[in-house]
Amino acid sequence: KQEVTQIPAALSVPEGENLVLNCSFTDSAIYNLQWFRQDPGKGLTSLLLIQSSQREQTSGRLNASLDKSSGRSTLYIAASQPGDSATYLCAAFGNQFYFGTGTSLTVIP
Amino acid sequence: EAQVTQNPRYLITVTGKKLTVTCSQNMNHEYMSWYRQDPGLGLRQIYYSMNVEVTDKGDVPEGYKVSRKEKRNFPLILESPSPNQTSLYFCASSALPGGEGQPQHFGDGTRLSIL
Repeated sequence: KQEVTQIPAALSVPEGENLVLNCSFTDSAIYNLQWFRQDPGKGLTSLLLIQSSQREQTSGRLNASLDKSSGRSTLYIAASQPGDSATYLCAAFGNQFYFGTGTSLTVIP
Repeated sequence: EAQVTQNPRYLITVTGKKLTVTCSQNMNHEYMSWYRQDPGLGLRQIYYSMNVEVTDKGDVPEGYKVSRKEKRNFPLILESPSPNQTSLYFCASSALPGGEGQPQHFGDGTRLSIL
């Protein structure tokens, strides 16, 4: 069974800092990996989706990479802002979706 | 506007009283899914559906039923709810997730408390 782990569980950074969130998965037989953002009391919003054949995807200040062979994905956030404060989740899709438990990010003004 | 709509948003009920949480999407997506989210355990998939009349168990299907009679609707049924089903539930939809893959769209969640 796929296991998805996210480290760290919580992160607090000053505004403007660049940061990296980590996601690891045990089974490399995946179709894609997605990164989501969850705000308190809300559902999940898709940020980036990386196909298994791709190495990275970029959207604005966000860049996600995927290394299937090592079972790792990273989400890079450039020039962090207080509005980036949220919980970030990754999900690996093989035969079904498996989510990590998330990284709670606080960006301090 | 692309939407996944869940109802109700909040529900407090008692053990054994059958309940249904509805989910509807307006994007003509083939794939629909139910998750529960619990502290320390993250999101776990309950059931999913690849298309009308096609449903499959996810990681934690015990105590739940689903149906997919129409493409847009995917209700979650708890025939005899128990306190361990107290959780935050999410419905999601997307185009078929294999192959090219498409991002999932999530509803706002249903907070369910079973006393």
